[in-house]
Amino acid sequence: GAVVSQHPSWVICKSGTSVKIECRSLDFQATTMFWYRQFPKQSLMLMATSNEGSKATYEQGVEKDKFLINHASLTLSTLTVTSAHPEDSSFYICSARDNGRWAGNEKLFFGSGTQLSVL
Amino acid sequence: GESVGLHLPTLSVQEGDNSIINCAYSNSASDYFIWYKQESGKGPQFIIDIRSNMDKRQGQRVTVLLNKTVKHLSLQIAATQPGDSAVYFCAFRAGGTSYGKLTFGQGTILTVHP
Repeated sequence: GAVVSQHPSWVICKSGTSVKIECRSLDFQATTMFWYRQFPKQSLMLMATSNEGSKATYEQGVEKDKFLINHASLTLSTLTVTSAHPEDSSFYICSARDNGRWAGNEKLFFGSGTQLSVL
Repeated sequence: GESVGLHLPTLSVQEGDNSIINCAYSNSASDYFIWYKQESGKGPQFIIDIRSNMDKRQGQRVTVLLNKTVKHLSLQIAATQPGDSAVYFCAFRAGGTSYGKLTFGQGTILTVHP
């Protein structure tokens, strides 16, 4: 089955630093990827839609300058948390929709998530 | 705004019992629904989906029921096993929105006792 690789799985950083999270579709091409954020014992909240070759679309209340998204190829999207602060500590999850085999099918493939802890 | 809620935030069952997890949604324009299973520290895992033109769909040990009249979705797990212990989320797509853009419910913690 389709696999989405997310890296790193966990990261600890100092307040004020930037952290980059990668989301790769390993065996399919994904024009569109999605970034979610999840706090402990809460649901997934969509942050932004990542579009290959164009600007990301951010959900209301998500700061685009804070969470930089780059989708430079059909298999890779990155989320950079800039100037991270403790309140940015969360579980970040990406998902990707297969352009080809699953065209029109809604089965999204999720990464395994990245736990970010900002000290 | 859109919302997806759950009647039961936690559910504890004995191994071998059937489990029913419920989800209520408010957006009548929703046309596609998915149930996900999430284990601790991992991403969501697809379980089963259903489109709004159906009211029931069955998979292996799982059944999803959709009642559009009362905007209610349920997941039934037959012969629940300890490995089924996880958080279960319903998610839906509002009609007309981008494929893959989902709204997730709050989640139900399922605990299966041996």
